[in-house]
Amino acid sequence: ETGVTQSPTHLIKTRGQQVTLRCSSQSGHNTVSWYQQALGQGPQFIFQYYREEENGRGNFPPRFSGLQFPNYSSELNVNALELDDSALYLCASSLTGAQEAFFGQGTRLTVV
Amino acid sequence: GIQVEQSPPDLILQEGANSTLRCNFSDSVNNLQWFHQNPWGQLINLFYIPSGTKQNGRLSATTVATERYSLLYISSSQTTDSGVYFCAVEFGNTPLVFGKGTRLSVIA
Repeated sequence: ETGVTQSPTHLIKTRGQQVTLRCSSQSGHNTVSWYQQALGQGPQFIFQYYREEENGRGNFPPRFSGLQFPNYSSELNVNALELDDSALYLCASSLTGAQEAFFGQGTRLTVV
Repeated sequence: GIQVEQSPPDLILQEGANSTLRCNFSDSVNNLQWFHQNPWGQLINLFYIPSGTKQNGRLSATTVATERYSLLYISSSQTTDSGVYFCAVEFGNTPLVFGKGTRLSVIA
């Protein structure tokens, strides 16, 4: 059984650019959630996907978008990057909601 | 609104000491998890404990759902226990809501 994996682990982008982060969910898990963690803060919910449909969204602008694929892997896309988007982005997978969630190692994004 | 509060925010311990971390939450929960975030940022699952008591080695946790709090106990602390401990809660259909964490430093 493989755990949750994210790629890339680190990324540096320029303000205004676009970025795609990827997440492979744990085997058998059909729910993927994305979180943003700023330095010194707890993770903040961005959105969740369940069986390829968005299933909830946090207080993030539309330039944050996502996809979930038939194999339940997922992408987080951020357009028009801003300096404040610099953060650790975490992906979690679970077997439906209200079940134990498991996190990947995160992608550390720096916007310069 | 939904609130998850952790205390203390910071804790410094001598190696071998015991500690208790607390998580208060504002509503009935259907999921509560404790995580340890290592220096590289990964969230390591410690306990999935919406109610009751669990133990895993030197760590144990208790959630009293009716009184809306959970406790994480660390006994005989080691330097490798250092890091940030998060409590995260699901209310109804909401996603996991995290507290601000407790930063633990264990000194040899």
